Amino acid sequence: AQTVTQSQPEMSVQEAETVTLSCTYDTSENNYYLFWYKQPPSRQMILVIRQEAYKQQNATENRFSVNFQKAAKSFSLKISDSQLGDTAMYFCALINYGQNFVFGPGTRLSVLP
Amino acid sequence: GAGVSQTPSNKVTEKGKYVELRCDPISGHTALYWYRQSLGQGPEFLIYFQGTGAADDSGLPNDRFFAVRPEGSVSTLKIQRTERGDSAVYLCASSPSGMEGMAEAFFGQGTRLTVV
Repeated sequence: AQTVTQSQPEMSVQEAETVTLSCTYDTSENNYYLFWYKQPPSRQMILVIRQEAYKQQNATENRFSVNFQKAAKSFSLKISDSQLGDTAMYFCALINYGQNFVFGPGTRLSVLP
Repeated sequence: GAGVSQTPSNKVTEKGKYVELRCDPISGHTALYWYRQSLGQGPEFLIYFQGTGAADDSGLPNDRFFAVRPEGSVSTLKIQRTERGDSAVYLCASSPSGMEGMAEAFFGQGTRLTVV
């Protein structure tokens, strides 16, 4: 069975600073994807960044980057130059080929002015 | 359409009633997923379709829950004899088929179901 753990229920960061959200997972598969999703109050699940497990290079998307440690099964998200619009719930998710998404419990991030 | 569309956006129903929630996936997406998200929690898997067939329905909590996708496009999640504990946001996602398709999944805005 696949599991995803996010050990930080809540985080806060000052505007323009950097914050890192933690995620660990467990899977017995070799081919999988990892994702970070942002969910604002509108409920829309918005893809922030994704990582293919077979790629060693960490994914980056503008201010968002990940630290993917496959052996340790760790997948943290770093948000640089935090903006007020980054305030939301953040979910780490895993999907194996031919199976469904497994989500973590989420981290509520507040960006403070 | 441009994205995954879920209707209605909000649904209030009385305990014991029957409800249907609709998901209209992105055109051409063969995989379709239903999730349930309770307040303050992460989405929990319900059922996954590949084309018209349910590839995995192990997440359906009991036999009051049923989902169909008769033509491999629109899907309907059906809940019979609703209970207050069914109150949640129901999310739908779709993706193209294949390994690479998983990376292209998109979610709808969800239906908030409230059972009173």
